[in-house]
Amino acid sequence: EAGVTQSPTHLIKTRGQQATLRCSPISGHTSVYWYQQALGLGLQFLLWYDEGEERNRGNFPPRFSGRQFPNYSSELNVNALELEDSALYLCASSPDVHNEQFFGPGTRLTVL
Amino acid sequence: DAKTTQPPSMDCAEGRAANLPCNHSTISGNEYVYWYRQIHSQGPQYIIHGLKNNETNEMASLIITEDRKSSTLILPHATLRDTAVYYCIVRVAVGNAGNMLTFGGGTRLMVKP
Repeated sequence: EAGVTQSPTHLIKTRGQQATLRCSPISGHTSVYWYQQALGLGLQFLLWYDEGEERNRGNFPPRFSGRQFPNYSSELNVNALELEDSALYLCASSPDVHNEQFFGPGTRLTVL
Repeated sequence: DAKTTQPPSMDCAEGRAANLPCNHSTISGNEYVYWYRQIHSQGPQYIIHGLKNNETNEMASLIITEDRKSSTLILPHATLRDTAVYYCIVRVAVGNAGNMLTFGGGTRLMVKP
């Protein structure tokens, strides 16, 4: 069974640009979660999508947004990039809200 | 979700059991204990979870005290590949708040030859 996949592996942007990160959940999983892991700050919850709807978001500004497609894959968009957005962005999926999450390998975003 | 306390780091000799403690003294009756680990720069990996009974799977064992205020993750025969940061997370398994995980600092386990 294929795991959670994320693309791209690495992304380099400059301040003020927009970044789009993609996630494909495990087949059959309907919930997708996004986390940010900045250096020295640990893993922080960003967004949760389930059945195409945003269900919850963490303490991040509105320039962090995303969506979930009918095939349950998801995009994370970060607008007006700031240097502090440099981090490893992790996507996780679960079959429903009651079960454990399975993480992808992450996208490393570097903002110059 | 209840807060957890873990030692920041631990060492273990290869082939020996690694016992990673976690305190969660404010845990509620409907909160589960989850363990994940993160090998350097990779996504976290689910290990095991439990409510009140001890649990065992192919990766590890989870021992939860009777009062549920603490737990121990046991890797029975640690290998060098078990070197990672181990996170103990306590959360409600159901509810509209969703499934999101609140990660603390974790324990950095170093398995040494």
